[in-house]
Amino acid sequence: NAGVMQNPRHLVRRRGQEARLRCSPVKGHSHVYWYRQLPEEGLKFMVYLQKENIIDESGMPKERFSAEFPKEGPSILRIQQVVRGDSAAYFCASSPWDVDTQYFGPGTRLTVL
Amino acid sequence: QKEVEQNSGPLSVPEGAIASLNCTYSDRGSQSFFWYRQYSGKSPELIMSIYSNGDKEDGRFTAQLNKASQYVSLLIRDSQPSDSATYLCALEHGSGNTGKLIFGQGTTLQVKP
Repeated sequence: NAGVMQNPRHLVRRRGQEARLRCSPVKGHSHVYWYRQLPEEGLKFMVYLQKENIIDESGMPKERFSAEFPKEGPSILRIQQVVRGDSAAYFCASSPWDVDTQYFGPGTRLTVL
Repeated sequence: QKEVEQNSGPLSVPEGAIASLNCTYSDRGSQSFFWYRQYSGKSPELIMSIYSNGDKEDGRFTAQLNKASQYVSLLIRDSQPSDSATYLCALEHGSGNTGKLIFGQGTTLQVKP
């Protein structure tokens, strides 16, 4: 009974490179959410997606960040031209269509050198 | 004013005691409230959800909600050293199933043997 899966668990990038973070929701869950946790800070909402739709991206930085949840395959959070300030833990969560309880994956810890 | 406020702690209690964790919020429209536990370096783990005024019990945990006072609390009875973690209070932004969780900064709990 697999929970939310994220990969990679750790990702190291140099400034200016691209980071791609993947999230597979709990089987049967159709809603995916991405959150960011900066060092010594709280969890911040980034984006809420359903299959092939972005529902709420109010927490996404205006530039360099994008997210998708295609019909097939995992959800992807993409960060272009990473900067040191992007270093953080990125968590994905999922929920069923009719329940607002979100279950979190193990996270991807991004380090930008 | 932050949307969700928690005392960062640390809150230190002896093993076997009751730990009381508190949270206040500003969004009167919120209807769904959650407590998550996060061990250092790990992902948030759902403890409880609460939607109605009053108490909700699950094992050693009791969540309390008072919408008039905009206050949510979590009681942990018979605290164990394994309960030592950061406890995150969260609410779903707005009314209805918006999917956007707003988290407090978390309260660090230390249970001393």
